[in-house]
Amino acid sequence: AQSVTQLDSQVPVFEEAPVELRCNYSSSVSVYLFWYVQYPNQGLQLLLKYLSGSTLVESINGFEAEFNKSQTSFHLRKPSVHISDTAEYFCAVSEFRGGSQGNLIFGKGTKLSVKP
Amino acid sequence: DTGVSQDPRHKITKRGQNVTFRCDPISEHNRLYWYRQTLGQGPEFLTYFQNEAQLEKSRLLSDRFSAERPKGSFSTLEIQRTEQGDSAMYLCASSFLLAGGNNEQFFGPGTRLTVL
Repeated sequence: AQSVTQLDSQVPVFEEAPVELRCNYSSSVSVYLFWYVQYPNQGLQLLLKYLSGSTLVESINGFEAEFNKSQTSFHLRKPSVHISDTAEYFCAVSEFRGGSQGNLIFGKGTKLSVKP
Repeated sequence: DTGVSQDPRHKITKRGQNVTFRCDPISEHNRLYWYRQTLGQGPEFLTYFQNEAQLEKSRLLSDRFSAERPKGSFSTLEIQRTEQGDSAMYLCASSFLLAGGNNEQFFGPGTRLTVL
């Protein structure tokens, strides 16, 4: 069965500092990998995804994540965070089966708190 | 069309009552998913539809839960004889299945249920 582990429930950082949010997964088949972000009082939004190809994927607001198959990880990084990045971040996986992507399996989330 | 909408946004009910939630997906999205999110956890998959067919149900979906998507557009999730453990955020997501299996899920704002 698939599972997702987000190792840190809360990550406090100062503005302009780098950050890494860790995500490990387990699955016996090929997976798609995602990071979703939930800003306060808003719904989940897709931040970035890995489907195939280059193992390094980027978002439009400076986040990046690297798929590491040997370590079954998909850590999220940003070299310099802003106050506006304060949110909860969820890592998710889905299996490729039956010719399409299945439902999402989420981690418990990491709350990123950026302080001035 | 501005995205996935859910109604109501908040619902407070007494234990033992029945509740029904509605989800309106993005137009022309053929897949619709229901997830549940409890405090401190990531969203957990409940069920999904492709058009009007309910293709998969999670073990979390007890006999008191029923979901429908009668015309392949909006969906309803009903909980009968609510229990305090049903208190959670109920999330709906929709996607359009593309050739090759990539179907990014777009989430609604959720319905927060409180069972007293």
